[in-house]
Amino acid sequence: GAGVSQSPSNKVTEKGKDVELRCDPISGHTALYWYRQRLGQGLEFLIYFQGNSAPDKSGLPSDRFSAERTGESVSTLTIQRTQQEDSAVYLCASSLGTGGTPLHFGNGTRLTVT
Amino acid sequence: SQQGEEDPQALSIQEGENATMNCSYKTSINNLQWYRQNSGRGLVHLILIRSNEREKHSGRLRVTLDTSKKSSSLLITASRAADTASYFCATAGNQAGTALIFGKGTTLSVSS
Repeated sequence: GAGVSQSPSNKVTEKGKDVELRCDPISGHTALYWYRQRLGQGLEFLIYFQGNSAPDKSGLPSDRFSAERTGESVSTLTIQRTQQEDSAVYLCASSLGTGGTPLHFGNGTRLTVT
Repeated sequence: SQQGEEDPQALSIQEGENATMNCSYKTSINNLQWYRQNSGRGLVHLILIRSNEREKHSGRLRVTLDTSKKSSSLLITASRAADTASYFCATAGNQAGTALIFGKGTTLSVSS
């Protein structure tokens, strides 16, 4: 694909349910990031994958959050037992590699927990 | 944390005026980047300035970096209504494999 693709674009779920968010990065991009953005706020770093290195999970807010990446392709962010404070836009981005190369963002998944 | 902090949080100007946004950060960096976001969705990369650079231009954008003060500024000249958006700085640390960390952003409103 031409850009980073995220699905679904919108997700409404009930409190306590699990959700899975998907990100398809740009082909060949070794780095993949997940960020969370609450309404009117900045981007909160969640997790960073770089090639075959161990992911940087330092931004995950609780053990209800986890993410996987298959090689250098698709990534899924899973939120278990969702809470209302999990409501936000979840943004995925990919880049060519390390050294802070520019990120290419998807359009995000807007998660609403009712 | 190396997180950047933008200033001001919000800026309202008239078309044709210049807009200046500032970013401060806390730790040594490899580079600093500016991004733009429309409508709360994906961000778009605008410009990257490396730690050994002091100024960089791209069209109507001018970015400066002062590593001694750990600060950067983004100047948009001759602003247009279409420049209305949120602008974020992001910093990449010196260590290989470190994540790109974003600030809280400046919301720019340009009225015609």
